[in-house]
Amino acid sequence: DAGVIQSPRHEVTEMGQEVTLRCKPISGHNSLFWYRQTMMRGLELLIYFNNNVPIDDSGMPEDRFSAKMPNASFSTLKIQPSEPRDSAVYFCASSLVGSSGNTIYFGEGSWLTVV
Amino acid sequence: QQQVKQSPQSLIVQKGGISIINCAYENTAFDYFPWYQQFPGKGPALLIAIRPDVSEKKEGRFTISFNKSAKQFSLHIMDSQPGDSATYFCAAGTGGSYIPTFGRGTSLIVHP
Repeated sequence: DAGVIQSPRHEVTEMGQEVTLRCKPISGHNSLFWYRQTMMRGLELLIYFNNNVPIDDSGMPEDRFSAKMPNASFSTLKIQPSEPRDSAVYFCASSLVGSSGNTIYFGEGSWLTVV
Repeated sequence: QQQVKQSPQSLIVQKGGISIINCAYENTAFDYFPWYQQFPGKGPALLIAIRPDVSEKKEGRFTISFNKSAKQFSLHIMDSQPGDSATYFCAAGTGGSYIPTFGRGTSLIVHP
């Protein structure tokens, strides 16, 4: 079974550059999450989509961050311009809301370093 | 406001020992309490979960204990093994429109 697929797995970029992270959720899932993980703050929810519609983006740190989900099988998280403090692991996750258990399935993450 | 408080932040256990991680929550609307396990370089993965209609759930060496009145739940790992070394996250959520709230995580190291 294909899990949540994220790309790139690793990205090193210079401050000020645009970064685009990509995610393909598990087929059939109706919810998609973007999380950021750092040592200092743990797992932070950035944004949550349900049926491709952004439901909760209160975790998006600032206007430099934007996320889209143009269809059920693809989502992007964009940072423009990037800053060193954005360095973190970004996880995409998906779930089937309404199913028993509401298990969230995470991708393997995109490791971002902004220098 | 941290809705799910997890402790300890780190834990070192000898092989064969018992690892215990505790979580406390504030929102009484939570009705689903999963634990996730994360190995280095990987994303978190569901380990075990419990709903508040039971006080305990056991799967192999992993047990969740749940105390609804105290709004606390804990993960017990019996006969801990070096392969259990990972970061463990507790979480809480509600059925339906499910957006889980995660604890800060516990880094577990099991020495051989």
